[in-house]
Parts: sequence; structure tokens; C-alpha cells
Amino acid sequence: GQNIDQPTEMTATEGAIVQINCTYQTSGFNGLFWYQQHAGEAPTFLSYNVLDGLEEKGRFSSFLSRSKGYSYLLLKELQMKDSASYLCAVSHTGGAGNNRKLIWGLGTSLAVNP
Amino acid sequence: EAGVAQSPRYKIIEKRQSVAFWCNPISGHATLYWYQQILGQGPKLLIQFQNNGVVDDSQLPKDRFSAERLKGVDSTLKIQPAKLEDSAVYLCASSSKLGTEALYSPLHFGNGTRLTVT
Repeated sequence: GQNIDQPTEMTATEGAIVQINCTYQTSGFNGLFWYQQHAGEAPTFLSYNVLDGLEEKGRFSSFLSRSKGYSYLLLKELQMKDSASYLCAVSHTGGAGNNRKLIWGLGTSLAVNP
Repeated sequence: EAGVAQSPRYKIIEKRQSVAFWCNPISGHATLYWYQQILGQGPKLLIQFQNNGVVDDSQLPKDRFSAERLKGVDSTLKIQPAKLEDSAVYLCASSSKLGTEALYSPLHFGNGTRLTVT
């Protein structure tokens, strides 16, 4: 079946580096998304990986290994405003035609402490 | 560009009552999604529209939930009658892409409607 696992909670210190892992099992893989969601707000897009390797965007980087069904989101130089939930979502062609289906993880709640 | 608009922002109703949510996607976005997000969980897809047609409603509890997007622009989601377990945030999202491009395009979410059923 289709499944995504990510840690429920993580804690880190301001200025540090944190890595949030996501493992998945799916067929017809078409990429992996990371979204950030602050409490009471909508998810916002952070990154998309479809090929193996590391994608860097400023303080945030995302890594994908398709053979291992594994991704991580790396946050550097942590700031207090990075305290949020980080959602991993896998895109796969599970529907009719080219319909994209997204499987969502439960999210990792990151608390950044001073 | 203006974002995805949703209303109301909050709604409190009693069980067995009815409620409706409204969503206006980003202009020109062909694909619209309604998600249910229970506290502490990831979003769960309820229904996906492509223009005014339903692409996926496999997880929509059709005995009580309904949704429409008559003119292929804004959309409404209705619950009738509501149950306690329907308490959640209802998120609307849109995407500009169709077909194979939709596979890798990010979703743009509205701020959601927080529903409390008492």
C-alpha cells in the first residue's frame, strides 16, 4: 500500500541545523513535496524533488533517494520563525489518466528554542 | 497575484446542522482541491475538480458531504448533517497545471475554515 512516515515532533536550538526525515512506500512515484505549515495557517510550498540528490534553496535544502524511498528536509541557521509543522507529500500516478494523487504524511512539529 | 480565498474563517455549529464553505481559487487555476485536516494530522483529500468536472471524490463521505464547482471557478463544500468527527480545518487549494504538468506543480492553499461541531 501507500505509506509515508515522518517523526511526530522535533526540537532544536536557534542557529543550529535540523534534519527532518521522511520515508515512503508508493508505486508510480512522481516526486516528493515538502510544505511548511505554521499553526492556524495554510501549508506553503517549500520544495519539490523528483530526481535523486540535493536541492538547495537558501537556508532550506531537500534530499531525495528514490531507491531507498527516503527524503529529508535540512534547515540551517534555524530561526524562531521556523517553528512550524513540516509536511512531506508524495505525488504518484494512482488515478485515471494523468491524475496526480498526493499522499500526505502526518507532519513533523518542529519547535525552535532560543 | 491574489491567493486562494476561503470563507468563513471559523464556524461553530451543533451536530446534525448543515454548513457550507466557499472557495475562490487563484484566477486561471483549473484544478481545485478540498482537503480536510484534523488537528495533528496531514491533509486528507476530499474532492478534486478539474475545471468543473470531478476528477477524484473517492474519499468524500457522499452520504453527508457534497461539493460543486458549477462554472469552473469558485466552489462550495457542504456538510449535511454534521457529526462531531467533522470538526477540522477545511482547506481549499488550487493548481494552475493540467495533465502531466499537474504531477509536479505545487498546490496553493487558502487559509482554511476551522469547523467546530458541538
